[in-house]
Amino acid sequence: GQNIDQPTEMTATEGAIVQINCTYQTSGFNGLFWYQQHAGEAPTFLSYNVLDGLEEKGRFSSFLSRSKGYSYLLLKELQMKDSASYLCAVRDSNYQLIWGAGTKLIIKP
Amino acid sequence: IAGITQAPTSQILAAGRRMTLRCTQDMRHNAMYWYRQDLGLGLRLIHYSNTAGTTGKGEVPDGYSVSRANTDDFPLTLASAVPSQTSVYFCASSDLAGGTDTQYFGPGTRLTVL
Repeated sequence: GQNIDQPTEMTATEGAIVQINCTYQTSGFNGLFWYQQHAGEAPTFLSYNVLDGLEEKGRFSSFLSRSKGYSYLLLKELQMKDSASYLCAVRDSNYQLIWGAGTKLIIKP
Repeated sequence: IAGITQAPTSQILAAGRRMTLRCTQDMRHNAMYWYRQDLGLGLRLIHYSNTAGTTGKGEVPDGYSVSRANTDDFPLTLASAVPSQTSVYFCASSDLAGGTDTQYFGPGTRLTVL
């Protein structure tokens, strides 16, 4: 079966750095996405990786290792507004997105 | 530009009733999707459409139907609602020819079936 694993919940301090990991086992790979979802709202796109390596976008970076079936989202200089769930999704061989259950990130002052 | 709109925002429905959730996008995206999101689970694909006039089944299609008469609209119908269909429903769209084919989501419909 297809599987995306992420930690259920993480806590970090305002101003710090946090890394959210995602491991996947899917039938095929056609890209990995990270989305942010605030409580009661829709998911919003953060980043996309299809090749190995690091993609940087301001305070957010995403890393991919296809050989290890592994990605992480790195959030720097954490702000209170970063409190949200972070969803990892992999596009499989059928070109459908397979979603992880999400990681709830709690930021403390 | 509104992006994607969904209606209603929320609904309480008696079991056995028929319900249509509406989704409209103004981005001229060719692909549209319906997901449900339940606590502790990832988003699960119900149905999708890669272009107007075509639809396909996702991971959890039973009890749901869709149509895609034009590019902008993609309604989801529950023919006879059951309590297990209580969920938050998200519509999304993407441009299949747009490189990354990133999906963009509507604000969601919170549905409760009693």
